[in-house]
Amino acid sequence: QSELTQPPSASGTPGQRVTISCSGDISNIGSNTANWYQQFPGTAPKLLIYSNNQRPSGVPERFSGSKSGSAASLAISGLQSEDEANYYCAAWDDSLNAWMFGGGTKLTVL
Amino acid sequence: QLQLQESGPGLVKPSETLSLTCSVSGGSVSSHSFYWGWIRQPPGKGLEWIGSIYYTGRTYYKPSLKSRLNISVDTSKNHFSLRLTSVTAADTAIYYCAGPGIFDIWGQGTMVTVSS
Repeated sequence: QSELTQPPSASGTPGQRVTISCSGDISNIGSNTANWYQQFPGTAPKLLIYSNNQRPSGVPERFSGSKSGSAASLAISGLQSEDEANYYCAAWDDSLNAWMFGGGTKLTVL
Repeated sequence: QLQLQESGPGLVKPSETLSLTCSVSGGSVSSHSFYWGWIRQPPGKGLEWIGSIYYTGRTYYKPSLKSRLNISVDTSKNHFSLRLTSVTAADTAIYYCAGPGIFDIWGQGTMVTVSS
């Protein structure tokens, strides 16, 4: 069982906006910032969003993040076929002194 | 630019010790305020943080692995290492090293299989 909770799957059609949620608690997302990673099959994860809503250089503006209380969200607008991947959230947990990852969400572009 | 590369045996026998090294290039492992981590991914499953080490040598370990785990840093060789003892089939995974900090950069990963 993962420490942060994500839906196992999400889907959308090209051009749509999709949102992926990540639920934690006061000791992790509630106290620290959330990061998001994108992983294509057979490749290493890539940092997509950090500090809740910041994009590293090179990440398209259609990827955005937000946080409210102990939950974080990743939004992808103008969905494209190349966005089909697995997405993971992560946050530091102050109680466990450990990084927590979500179980991952497989995004399918229909 | 900063690059990470994992190395180590791809096959480990049950009850033995898994040892991996992450070589850092394009930057220094001892740079101020950087910390480095190990993350693994069992086949077909999600990411699992294993542990992290600060440039000072301070470590943080996943609680469930703490009794079997040691992460160290060698600033002279510009790398950091993972040792996991008494491995079982449940430790079979792709092992990634990542850093600095919030795992901005990842190595390509190395598959480790625990089998006799």
